[in-house]
Amino acid sequence: QLVLTQSPSASASLGASVKLTCTLSSGHSSYAIAWHQQQPEKGPRYLMKLNSDGSHSKGDGIPDRFSGSSSGAERYLTISSLQSEDEADYYCQTWGTGIGVVFGGGTKLTVL
Amino acid sequence: EVQLVESGGGLVQPGGSLRLSCAASGFTFSSYWMHWVRQAPGKGLVWVSRINSDGSSTSYADSVKGRFTISRDNAKNTLYLQMNSLRAEDTAVYYCARGGPGSGYYSDYWGQGTLVTVSS
Repeated sequence: QLVLTQSPSASASLGASVKLTCTLSSGHSSYAIAWHQQQPEKGPRYLMKLNSDGSHSKGDGIPDRFSGSSSGAERYLTISSLQSEDEADYYCQTWGTGIGVVFGGGTKLTVL
Repeated sequence: EVQLVESGGGLVQPGGSLRLSCAASGFTFSSYWMHWVRQAPGKGLVWVSRINSDGSSTSYADSVKGRFTISRDNAKNTLYLQMNSLRAEDTAVYYCARGGPGSGYYSDYWGQGTLVTVSS
């Protein structure tokens, strides 16, 4: 079964960096994912598509402060130079032919 | 600029029906897969359904299969979600989203959402 696991919460200080993790279930370590940001009371915003080799393609207007990387079954979103507007929920998404589309449970990022 | 604007949400009784619409602009609508994703109050994102670019192929989450129907009108640049036999657990904000280039399975643009409340 295709499942994405995310930590429910994370926190980091203003101006610092944070690395969020999304873990693919066993047998699915080659799958690509997408990262999305959802600020309070807003619709989601696509950040990037991240492949298993770490290559990624970002959405329109996404700052260079947002980057992605991969290691095995783990997919990472790193946000550097944290700003107050980065406080949001972050979701990973994956998919498979015949499997459908799956979202992780989301990570709530608090900027201290 | 890509824009997706949902409409049609509201309050409906259990067992009732509702049709959501999503008006698309700023891109060639007929070239992209489209999705519906929902979010119950205080909960995470859950994929509901997707349709391919010409409408010939659809798929659904198990929780809505047989009750919801996704469709599109490429001449009107509009995506639809017909929701029948609604249940309290269908209460959520419903987002339409565009499928990404290459693999249409992921979403690269989102609407602002429309709230559906199922309650007596």
